Amino acid sequence: DAGVIQSPRHEVTEMGQEVTLRCKPISGHNSLFWYRQTMMRGLELLIYFNNNVPIDDSGMPEDRFSAKMPNASFSTLKIQPSEPRDSAVYFCASRTALAYEQYFGPGTRLTVT
Amino acid sequence: SQKIEQNSEALNIQEGKTATLTCNYTNYSPAYLQWYRQDPGRGPVFLLLIRENEKEKRKERLKVTFDTTLKQSLFHITASQPADSATYLCALERGRNTGKLIFGQGTTLQVKP
Repeated sequence: DAGVIQSPRHEVTEMGQEVTLRCKPISGHNSLFWYRQTMMRGLELLIYFNNNVPIDDSGMPEDRFSAKMPNASFSTLKIQPSEPRDSAVYFCASRTALAYEQYFGPGTRLTVT
Repeated sequence: SQKIEQNSEALNIQEGKTATLTCNYTNYSPAYLQWYRQDPGRGPVFLLLIRENEKEKRKERLKVTFDTTLKQSLFHITASQPADSATYLCALERGRNTGKLIFGQGTTLQVKP
């Protein structure tokens, strides 16, 4: 199994630009989570999906952030427009309905200048 | 408000000794608690889960305890090795059966040969 796949691994962009982060969960996992990690705030849950449906987006910081899951094998997190304070590592994680542990991807390191 | 606290200072120990990491929480009644390991530049990796009705859980050189009265979990690594050097995160579920994990800030362990 390839594990959770995220792309790109690194993204550097200028303030105001649109950024799209991508995630492919582990096959057969029906829950998908997007997290953001910074030194100041640690690992924070942004949004999660069950069976492709967004269940809770209360962690999404602002309307500039949006996430979609068009099918069971793909999700995107979009930031438009991006700001320097969005600089962080963004992780995607997935899990099955039968277990509590989550499997994390390698993360996308986003730098907004 | 709900809070999870881990020792923010790095823990430095000698190879072969037992490392003990602490996770304290307030205003939670979690059904379970999880521990993850995170290496630099990588996503967290699940290690152990302990349920509220379990006092102790073991996996190879790892041992986790869970005291719901003290609202504390201890994570032990016996016969520590330099390869155990990493950041260790504890996580609790917010609410019951929500799937939403709240992570502590993590404790960095350094095992010196």
